[in-house]
Amino acid sequence: QKEVEQNSGPLSVPEGAIASLNCTYSDRGSQSFFWYRQYSGKSPELIMSIYSNGDKEDGRFTAQLNKASQYVSLLIRDSQPSDSATYLCAVITGGFKTIFGAGTRLFVKA
Amino acid sequence: GAGVSQTPSNKVTEKGKYVELRCDPISGHTALYWYRQSLGQGPEFLIYFQGTGAADDSGLPNDRFFAVRPEGSVSTLKIQRTERGDSAVYLCASSFQGSGANVLTFGAGSRLTVL
Repeated sequence: QKEVEQNSGPLSVPEGAIASLNCTYSDRGSQSFFWYRQYSGKSPELIMSIYSNGDKEDGRFTAQLNKASQYVSLLIRDSQPSDSATYLCAVITGGFKTIFGAGTRLFVKA
Repeated sequence: GAGVSQTPSNKVTEKGKYVELRCDPISGHTALYWYRQSLGQGPEFLIYFQGTGAADDSGLPNDRFFAVRPEGSVSTLKIQRTERGDSAVYLCASSFQGSGANVLTFGAGSRLTVL
């Protein structure tokens, strides 16, 4: 079992729709969770961090965490073509070791 | 510096050669990470440093890979006897570790091609 698992996609949504990205992790002791966005040919950049169960909203982005189910998700409302990228779920395990999932490719169609 | 700087941005080498990749982290960041990313994959953890010491090197694939951070700032990833399978983008990231936040800031990466 991989430490962080994501559906590789691609996920295709029309402009203005909600994009839902999911991630599961194996280390039950993990406390810190992140979503990074990576445009083609670029490096990952942080979108959201979440540390407590529940929802955390930042503009069009909402991160959701359920530690009992070892599940993290990212919702993107009013999706724009500029949101087309790969979204990486990241989890801190064992100290400050940050492990990434394989990423989900998102396409937003104009 | 203002951001994480990685050099070279591109490196083409022949199988069996030795390669060094350099990372200059954000000033004041105590932690430094190396990842390897192949096309269509997420960043694969290699090693991270807390100050000068390697806190976790469990991701180094074999003993051909070695990394140092002698003064707690700049780090060098060293690859001996390169193989074609080592071809990838090598990403460096740094963070200021506090309260478990550990948000990573990445450099632009070093693309390594082994012919």
